[in-house]
Amino acid sequence: GNSVTQMEGPVTLSEEAFLTINCTYTATGYPSLFWYVQYPGEGLQLLLKATKADDKGSNKGFEATYRKETTSFHLEKGSVQVSDSAVYFCALSSTDSWGKLQFGAGTQVVVTP
Amino acid sequence: DAGVIQSPRHEVTEMGQEVTLRCKPISGHNSLFWYRQTMMRGLELLIYFNNNVPIDDSGMPEDRFSAKMPNASFSTLKIQPSEPRDSAVYFCASSLGGGRDKDSPLHFGNGTRLTVT
Repeated sequence: GNSVTQMEGPVTLSEEAFLTINCTYTATGYPSLFWYVQYPGEGLQLLLKATKADDKGSNKGFEATYRKETTSFHLEKGSVQVSDSAVYFCALSSTDSWGKLQFGAGTQVVVTP
Repeated sequence: DAGVIQSPRHEVTEMGQEVTLRCKPISGHNSLFWYRQTMMRGLELLIYFNNNVPIDDSGMPEDRFSAKMPNASFSTLKIQPSEPRDSAVYFCASSLGGGRDKDSPLHFGNGTRLTVT
């Protein structure tokens, strides 16, 4: 079956530091990959997505590249801000999943001034 | 453009009481999902609907949980009777996808925080 593994948190870093959150997946076929962000007290929001191998998703300074050879979709941001403090979820959807998303466990990111 | 609307935002109830959570999906979306989030288990998919029809309810924890979608603009998740272990944040999400569509993202509501004492 499909599965998503992402690095455990919390990840604590200073403002303007470089952020990487690792995500690897197991899936049949060619899934679509997503990163969602959850701010305190809110629902999950789509951050970016990639639907085929070598696609790069980007939004708000965040980027992730769909790497089929390593089954990975790592999230990166070059210079984080305090407002990026949140929980980040990696997720996948496949053609046999009826639009369901398989989520990773989430990684909490704390950015300090 | 209204997003997914859930009500109530917070619900506190006593064990044994019936709880009903409500969701209005984004207009035009044809798939609706109910998730539960806890610290211990993370995000769990409870049930999802496509074109108002329940497709998979294998995530529903037990018979105390039931969900309905009487029309394209409204869904309910009911717990009867409620128990303390049902305390969690319940999210509703909708999407344009379903079937073999894998590219459509889910749009989440802000959730209902349920506390059962």
